[in-house]
Amino acid sequence: DADVTQTPRNRITKTGKRIMLECSQTKGHDRMYWYRQDPGLGLRLIYYSFDVKDINKGEISDGYSVSRQAQAKFSLSLESAIPNQTALYFCATFGTATGELFFGEGSRLTVL
Amino acid sequence: GQSLEQPSEVTAVEGAIVQINCTYQTSGFYGLSWYQQHDGGAPTFLSYNGLDGLEETGRFSSFLSRSDSYGYLLLQELQMKDSASYFCAVSGYSSASKIIFGSGTRLSIRP
Repeated sequence: DADVTQTPRNRITKTGKRIMLECSQTKGHDRMYWYRQDPGLGLRLIYYSFDVKDINKGEISDGYSVSRQAQAKFSLSLESAIPNQTALYFCATFGTATGELFFGEGSRLTVL
Repeated sequence: GQSLEQPSEVTAVEGAIVQINCTYQTSGFYGLSWYQQHDGGAPTFLSYNGLDGLEETGRFSSFLSRSDSYGYLLLQELQMKDSASYFCAVSGYSSASKIIFGSGTRLSIRP
């Protein structure tokens, strides 16, 4: 099983719908991140969390919200999806010992 | 804030050496890291530099100069499987956990 698991892997939805992307990890890391990737724009940070009580905005948090339900779970929500939120979304955990981000396999979201 | 610059594309020949540069601006500095991403895949960690100097891991090396806000990734003995996108990422001291990525360098290897 993957250390960082994202669901769903692919989702097509319509404008105005509420969408939740879920992330769970078995690495025991406190820090978790959500990134968005668009072609040619690299990875842009949406939100990150130190623990269940500490959530921080990233570079592009408008239109998104998150929930850290437990150390192992970090969910990203789009309250009212719009077409320019069509992108590949990655969840990651951070290993403080090595300074390494461990990424999930990604969730491809298409908003029509 | 934090920002990074790296070339958008680099082309090299199989068996050769290539260097991908990264310059950054940050209100503080904690570390510079590098990631590789193949088409359709997730980014995977290559190296981390918290201090000045060279870190070597097999065919890959990474260098950091904090005084110049500059780092590079060096790939030696290039193989076709090294064709991928490479990202530098910086974490700022004032918020050590805020990890920001560059827009990536697409490396193409020619036979």
